[in-house]
Amino acid sequence: GQQLNQSPQSMFIQEGEDVSMNCTSSSIFNTWLWYKQEPGEGPVLLIALYKAGELTSNGRLTAQFGITRKDSFLNISASIPSDVGIYFCAGVLSSNTGKLIFGQGTTLQVKP
Amino acid sequence: GAVVSQHPSWVICKSGTSVKIECRSLDFQATTMFWYRQFPKQSLMLMATSNEGSKATYEQGVEKDKFLINHASLTLSTLTVTSAHPEDSSFYICSGLRDSQYNEQFFGPGTRLTVL
Repeated sequence: GQQLNQSPQSMFIQEGEDVSMNCTSSSIFNTWLWYKQEPGEGPVLLIALYKAGELTSNGRLTAQFGITRKDSFLNISASIPSDVGIYFCAGVLSSNTGKLIFGQGTTLQVKP
Repeated sequence: GAVVSQHPSWVICKSGTSVKIECRSLDFQATTMFWYRQFPKQSLMLMATSNEGSKATYEQGVEKDKFLINHASLTLSTLTVTSAHPEDSSFYICSGLRDSQYNEQFFGPGTRLTVL
């Protein structure tokens, strides 16, 4: 079945550092979404990408839809303690169903 | 923003009982809602797609008679875990599809189910 390979699995960084994570797949996606999940909560949508090559920012977050439509990355600049959480990429395979395929998640810890 | 609520936020039940979880889209209409389960330190696994006014579509390996889904209105979907067993203990999360053109799913806060 389709899979998204998300890396790294976890990161432990110093406050103020920049962070980068990515997702790759053997399948082509029409839409890439990036979510953040905190303990005991549901995922919160951070950024949505709809076109190959698209680069979109949301505050300190920047994400890009790869030109091959098989990958995406998320960057967080100048990290702060509240950035702690699990970040998931998700791809929409079929616009007809809206079903998402999730990556395994990247756990981010920020040391003040 | 798009807000989705779930109720209850947590539930503890005895083995063999049934539990109903509600998912509501508060500020948008969701023709399609999705139900996921998540085990500790794992990603979200799609269980089923809930369509308003029609039968749910279940993912492979998910028992439709055990996980009953009802999408009675454009703002409410329910998941009933029937004859729950300890292995059904998990974090259940729903999402609503706000705009089918853009495929943006907005998630509820989740329901922690513990079956004793």
